[in-house]
Amino acid sequence: DQQVKQNSPSLSVQEGRISILNCDYTNSMFDYFLWYKKYPAEGPTFLISISSIKDKNEDGRFTVFLNKSAKHLSLHIVPSQPGDSAVYFCAASTLNAQGGSEKLVFGKGTKLTVNP
Amino acid sequence: SQTIHQWPATLVQPVGSPLSLECTVEGTSNPNLYWYRQAAGRGLQLLFYSVGIGQISSEVPQNLSASRPQDRQFILSSKKLLLSDSGFYLCACQRRGRGGYTFGSGTRLTVV
Repeated sequence: DQQVKQNSPSLSVQEGRISILNCDYTNSMFDYFLWYKKYPAEGPTFLISISSIKDKNEDGRFTVFLNKSAKHLSLHIVPSQPGDSAVYFCAASTLNAQGGSEKLVFGKGTKLTVNP
Repeated sequence: SQTIHQWPATLVQPVGSPLSLECTVEGTSNPNLYWYRQAAGRGLQLLFYSVGIGQISSEVPQNLSASRPQDRQFILSSKKLLLSDSGFYLCACQRRGRGGYTFGSGTRLTVV
């Protein structure tokens, strides 16, 4: 049972345009969501996160939107740059009392290609 | 800040040979540690996690095992590798007081 789903395995956009990556989850207990960026042969790096008490979090060119009723989140990258080309993983977890994540559940990833 | 060291970066091993991948963590104490695998065409699959020395939980039945002999050391092992063990192995550490994990740079394992 896949609790976190990224239904688009790949996405291609033009430099300067908006990239929108989507993620759906099934477990209503999840209360913390993250996006990771991964280059080939490297470990994933943290990009941006959002807790369930918010519906939007912005960090520079990156914005994550959360729709709890639809169990859906999305990552917007504006403007997209060629260096953004990578695999993006959506992840979800519950937060414990110490503010740390319980086990992260990852989606299968979306490969973003930004064309010059 | 936390830093995770993984080695080796790449490894080619024959079927039936043993395996030992090591992960060490700096900049934190008593971390929760994780081993993930990314297989071709698949996402990140949690293999093992540890909340302390000698405490290992397995997420999926498999040919692999894990050990945590020291607070900041996490080892992934196999007695006899299978072709299906090929993949990209990642060690991760829970970020203290913050959500999510910090990942190591990974080990590309190819079983031939």
